[in-house]
Amino acid sequence: DAGVIQSPRHEVTEMGQEVTLRCKPISGHDYLFWYRQTMMRGLELLIYFNNNVPIDDSGMPEDRFSAKMPNASFSTLKIQPSEPRDSAVYFCASSRTGGPKNWGYTFGSGTRLTVV
Amino acid sequence: SQQGEEDPQALSIQEGENATMNCSYKTSINNLQWYRQNSGRGLVHLILIRSNEREKHSGRLRVTLDTSKKSSSLLITASRAADTASYFCATIAGGTSYGKLTFGQGTILTVHP
Repeated sequence: DAGVIQSPRHEVTEMGQEVTLRCKPISGHDYLFWYRQTMMRGLELLIYFNNNVPIDDSGMPEDRFSAKMPNASFSTLKIQPSEPRDSAVYFCASSRTGGPKNWGYTFGSGTRLTVV
Repeated sequence: SQQGEEDPQALSIQEGENATMNCSYKTSINNLQWYRQNSGRGLVHLILIRSNEREKHSGRLRVTLDTSKKSSSLLITASRAADTASYFCATIAGGTSYGKLTFGQGTILTVHP
């Protein structure tokens, strides 16, 4: 089991550019979560999917952020246009059938985004 | 706002000592979970305790839950330098069928060899 795979590990981009973060959940997991971590705000849930369907996107900061899950093995988080305040570590996590009520999440290693 | 609040924010101990971290939360919960995060890495799930449980053990970890006080504690016994990390509590709100975990701000644990 390769775990939750995120790419890229690091991304440095200029303000105004489009950024796409990618995530491959663990095979068989039907929940997928996107979190953002900063020193000031800690870990914030942005959006989560169940069986590829967005369930709760109330944490998405604004319309510049969008997330998709076209199939069970792939999700993207897109920021367009990016701003310096979007600089953070973005984590993807997945959880298996039965949901996080019974088991914890498995996190990826994160993407460190720096917008200059 | 964060559901869980950890205390202390930072803890520094010697190898072999026990480390205790506390977590308080605000609303009713389905379960409470503890995670560890090593510097520059993702979070790793340590242990889950359900709202109807009072204590749970896993290796050198002991977790307690007091729903009347809306608090939990994580005890790491006989700590090792490799336990140096940030520790987060996380909760799933009660009465929901969703899996949304809300994390606290974390406790930074430093274990000196």
